[in-house]
Order: sequence, then structure tokens, then C-alpha cells
Amino acid sequence: AQSVSQHNHHVILSEAASLELGCNYSYGGTVNLFWYVQYPGQHLQLLLKYFSGDPLVKGIKGFEAEFIKSKFSFNLRKPSVQWSDTAEYFCAVNRNRDDKIIFGKGTRLHILP
Amino acid sequence: EAQVTQNPRYLITVTGKKLTVTCSQNMNHEYMSWYRQDPGLGLRQIYYSMNVEVTDKGDVPEGYKVSRKEKRNFPLILESPSPNQTSLYFCASSLKRGYNEQFFGPGTRLTVL
Repeated sequence: AQSVSQHNHHVILSEAASLELGCNYSYGGTVNLFWYVQYPGQHLQLLLKYFSGDPLVKGIKGFEAEFIKSKFSFNLRKPSVQWSDTAEYFCAVNRNRDDKIIFGKGTRLHILP
Repeated sequence: EAQVTQNPRYLITVTGKKLTVTCSQNMNHEYMSWYRQDPGLGLRQIYYSMNVEVTDKGDVPEGYKVSRKEKRNFPLILESPSPNQTSLYFCASSLKRGYNEQFFGPGTRLTVL
């Protein structure tokens, strides 16, 4: 079945540590890729997105993600996390041939002060 | 202020009692969508709408109905709610298509007893 997989369900890091959250998808055609963030008690908001072009995309708050087509991956990275990055992170995929959006199950990130 | 609003924010109801959750956006967006968020399952798309009078099923449409009679409104209807529909529901909208950034509402927490 077509899906989006986020490998880490729960990640705990100390402040200033580097972060990488994995995301893989299983669709074969052209896709659009997103990372959304949900801070505690809030609704989702977009961190960054990839449609085409440079596979390394930069988003808000120092986040970036790299699209590796051969690996069907779109991993999220941040070189130095802050306590305020504590949130749940969702990878999402939109297939170009239709308008469904498929979300991963999310990764809960806890940053220790 | 550009926003997506949902009402009610919290609802406790009983099995079989029809309910409607309203969603409205003031950004003149064409694309609107409903999701449910469940622990360990992430966000799953229920229905989406490309424009007025155009709706389509997402991944988990069973037990739900939607309508899009006006561009700004996209209500979610549960004709006969059941306990397995207890969840957190989010409405979202985007400019034209699924690949545009989605703007999410604040969520509706529904409990079906």
C-alpha cells in the first residue's frame, strides 16, 4: 500500500544537539513533499515544502530538508535544536496526479533544557 | 486576519445522534479538506474539495459526509456517530490544489459515548 513512513515515533534530545527526522514514501510518480509542525495545543503549520528544483530546501526556524529521489526520502534536519522546538512533526506527501494528502504518523520531539 | 475557523471546538455526544462540525475560511481558497488525528496514527484525510460542488474521498471517508455549497464553508457531517469516531478533527484549506501550503483550523475534539 502507498504510504508515508516516519521512522522515529519519539525523539528526546538535549538543547544544541543536532536533529534528523526520517521520512520515506512509497509512491512512484512525481510527488510534492511537506513537513508540518504542531506545537503543544496548537494546530499544524508548515515548516517547509519541496515541489521541484534544488533538493535541499530551507524552511522556517532554521529547519531544512533534503529530497533524495533514489531513496524516496525527505529527511528533516536542524543543526542545533532549542527547547522551543518541542513539538510533533509530520511529513506529508501529495501525489501530483491527484489531490490527496498522505501524512506520516508523526514524530514527537522533546528537547531537554 | 486570514484564518480557518471550526465550530464547535469541543463536543461530547452519544452514539447515533447526528452532528455537524462547521469549517469556514476567509482566504478565498479553492481547496478544503478534513482530517482526523488519532494517537499513533497521525493525520488521515477524510474528504477534500477542489472547489464548490466538487468533493472527493480521502483515505478514511466511511461514516462521514461533506458538502461544499459555498467556497468559504466545508462542513463535516456525521449522520450516525459511533465511538470509533472519537477523535481530534482538523479542517484545512489551500489556495488551489493539494500541493499548495495548507492552513489548518484550531481543531475540534469530538467524543462519542
